[in-house]
Amino acid sequence: DIRMTQSPASLSASLGETVNIECLASEDIYSDLAWYQQKPGKSPQLLIYNANSLQNGVPSRFSGSGSGTQYSLKINSLQSEDVATYFCQQYNNYPMNTFGAGTKLELK
Amino acid sequence: QVQLEESGPGLMQPSETLSLTCTVSGFSLTSNGVGWVRQPLGKGLVWMGTIWAGGSTNYNSAVQSRLSISRDTSKSQVFLKMNSLQPEDTGTYYCARHDGYGGPFAYWGQGTLVTVSS
Repeated sequence: DIRMTQSPASLSASLGETVNIECLASEDIYSDLAWYQQKPGKSPQLLIYNANSLQNGVPSRFSGSGSGTQYSLKINSLQSEDVATYFCQQYNNYPMNTFGAGTKLELK
Repeated sequence: QVQLEESGPGLMQPSETLSLTCTVSGFSLTSNGVGWVRQPLGKGLVWMGTIWAGGSTNYNSAVQSRLSISRDTSKSQVFLKMNSLQPEDTGTYYCARHDGYGGPFAYWGQGTLVTVSS
């Protein structure tokens, strides 16, 4: 099974700051990677798919990058509504898919 | 628009069998796969299994022996059945639609909390 190691587990940032979250796959997942945002008490929402494609309706301050085993989610100009937990997911190992453990983002 | 809604009992006893229903609208079950994802309280997301557009199923090996996913396309419903429940099965259960064949989950239900306790 492919393991997804997400870091950091939590982080605190200020409004307007740029935030980076990393995800490391245990093997090459060929950009079959998604990022989700989950706010407290809500369902996860897809932000990024295929490592760098922005889902419809997602603000352009969110971006994804990476290849091979290393991927990252970048949030530019952090807004208060971005406080949430973020998860990565690999879907290369069809039909199996696995999630990272999550990164909890708080305001400083 | 695409919608998914989970329903089922909130409280179960250990060793019982859990039955959940996911009712979908805005798309056909013969066009997209629907998966179940579990989230223990305060923890991460775990894919449990998927029923694909053609009707085939795949399961997470961790629960494969206890889990069954089926569907009724005429009613636009997907069913999850999991036997031999234990307290560690407690959590929020989501159904979600795959985007494309084996792709990410573009649409999610609101989730249903299942508590396993005696």
